[in-house]
Amino acid sequence: NAGVTQTPKFQVLKTGQSMTLQCAQDMNHNSMYWYRQDPGMGLRLIYYSASEGTTDKGEVPNGYNVSRLNKREFSLRLESAAPSQTSVYFCATLSDWYEQYFGPGTRLTVT
Amino acid sequence: ELKVEQNPLFLSMQEGKNYTIYCNYSTTSDRLYWYRQDPGKSLESLFVLLSNGAVKQEGRLMASLDTKARLSTLHITAAVHDLSATYFCAVGAGANSKLTFGKGITLSVRP
Repeated sequence: NAGVTQTPKFQVLKTGQSMTLQCAQDMNHNSMYWYRQDPGMGLRLIYYSASEGTTDKGEVPNGYNVSRLNKREFSLRLESAAPSQTSVYFCATLSDWYEQYFGPGTRLTVT
Repeated sequence: ELKVEQNPLFLSMQEGKNYTIYCNYSTTSDRLYWYRQDPGKSLESLFVLLSNGAVKQEGRLMASLDTKARLSTLHITAAVHDLSATYFCAVGAGANSKLTFGKGITLSVRP
């Protein structure tokens, strides 16, 4: 089992460019999450999806969109990247016993 | 708004000694998580505490939860260098377990 996978691992964008961060899981979990981690800030929830076809905003959703394509995949899109979106992005899933499993992260730099 | 506080943000520990770190949160919750993060890596789940009075132990680490005091403690027994890392606590809210993270405590174990 691969668990939670994320692509790409690293990305550099210029201000105004767009990109999609991909997340996939093979654990058959219903809930999936996107977090960002900034130095000294801990992790903050961007969006989450309780089940296929549903998404909801978290603490810091501005500048992002998400798609829950199917049960396995949950993508995060930056339509017009800004330097403030330079961060490490983590995808996570929730098991039936309330444990969250995190992917390896995507390190994004916006110049 | 749920707030999670961890103190101190940095702790230098001496090998072989015992230490306790704390996690306070501001509103009622029955789900408390502890994670470990090594530099440049993802989050590794240490403990999920689901009820008042819950105590879990793994190796040199023991976590407990007091929901009435809104406090969780992580006790370290006989610190060793391998425990050097950043430790996050997070509080889960709602059926979908949206997590609010503390800023993390960076532990450094010196000889």
